[in-house]
Order: sequence, then C-alpha cells, then structure tokens
Amino acid sequence: EPEVTQTPSHQVTQMGQEVILRCVPISNHLYFYWYRQILGQKVEFLVSFYNNEISEKSEIFDDQFSVERPDGSNFTLKIRSTKLEDSAMYFCASSVRQVNTEAFFGQGTRLTVV
Amino acid sequence: AQSVTQLDSQVPVFEEAPVELRCNYSSSVSVYLFWYVQYPNQGLQLLLKYLSGSTLVKGINGFEAEFNKSQTSFHLRKPSVHISDTAEYFCAVTSANNVGNMLTFGGGTRLMVKP
Repeated sequence: EPEVTQTPSHQVTQMGQEVILRCVPISNHLYFYWYRQILGQKVEFLVSFYNNEISEKSEIFDDQFSVERPDGSNFTLKIRSTKLEDSAMYFCASSVRQVNTEAFFGQGTRLTVV
Repeated sequence: AQSVTQLDSQVPVFEEAPVELRCNYSSSVSVYLFWYVQYPNQGLQLLLKYLSGSTLVKGINGFEAEFNKSQTSFHLRKPSVHISDTAEYFCAVTSANNVGNMLTFGGGTRLMVKP
C-alpha cells in the first residue's frame, strides 16, 4: 500500500540552527501539507502546497519556515533558525485532490531543539 | 473558520465494552469530517471519513461514526473494543470548498482499553 514517508524519524538540533525535514508523498498525489503537533497539544496546520506554490498557510508559518519540492518526489520543510518552541512532531501529508478526499499522513519527524 | 471540540480528553473502558468518542464542530459552511487514529509512536491513520451521502459511515477496525448536521456532531463508536484499540483519536474537519484542504483538528481523545 502506498504511503507517505518522512525522514528522519527523530532530529535533535541546537537552537539557531537550520533544519530540513524531508517527506516523500504518495507518487500520484498532487497536494502536499505540513502539520505539527507540540507535545500534549492539538495537531496544527502549517502549510499546503500545490503546483510548486503555497496554497494556504497558517499564522504559525512565518518567515522562519519555507517549503520546497526540489525534485519530482521530495517535499521539504525548512526551519531557518530553530527556536526551543519549534520542538514538536512534524507531519507531512498528501492528497490526490484538493477537495472531496482525505489526506494521507506520514509517520512524523520528532524535532527536538536544545 | 472551523473549530473542533472533543469533549473527553481520556476515555477508559474495559475490553469488549462499547465506546463512544464525542466530537462536535463549528463551521459556517459545509464541511467534510474525519477521524484519525494515532497509535503510540506512530503517525496519523485515517479511520473513516464523511464527505457526502449516508450520514452513517463505517471505517476500519470496526469503527463507525454518524454525522449529525443539526447537532454539528460526528461521534465515533465501536460496539466492542479490543486492547489493540488503545490509542489517541482525533476528529478533524475541513471546509467542503476549502482551497487549501486545511484540516482543523480537535484536541484528541485518549482511549484506554483495560483487560
């Protein structure tokens, strides 16, 4: 069964460092998303991406964040200068269509900023 | 904008007992509704979804949910739970015409099945 794959599963980084979280969406999907879940809190939407452009982003997704689809398979989330409060589980998701369908989630990357 | 409220943060239940996990939403437009499950140290897996049609939807692992538009609810039920159902369950909603397909999640309900 096709699945969304995220790497690494766990990343530890020092405050102020840049991190790149990687995702391989399901191959025939066209819409890609990042969500995050701070420990003990709700899963929160960060950004959606289609046709090499951001479709929608939340207030959380400030200038420190960026997304990219560098090739035909990967979808990345970059945090330029990490803060302690960026520590969270980051989920990538993809969907085949924009509406009337479900998003498939990856296993997540646990980011720990120290 | 939408919001989702899961009224119970934890639900303890004995094995083979029935369970209902409650979800209420708020939205000014038509919505699609989802239940996701998160097993320990794993990602989010779709249990079931309501997009249109019959208000009673069946999902994986014997779960079902009923969409009640008048009560703005989408409660999840299972007639007989197993130990393996122990997990965190998330209700989520998106606008039916949402351009970005953004999901709004509830706070989650931890289902704890006891032997």
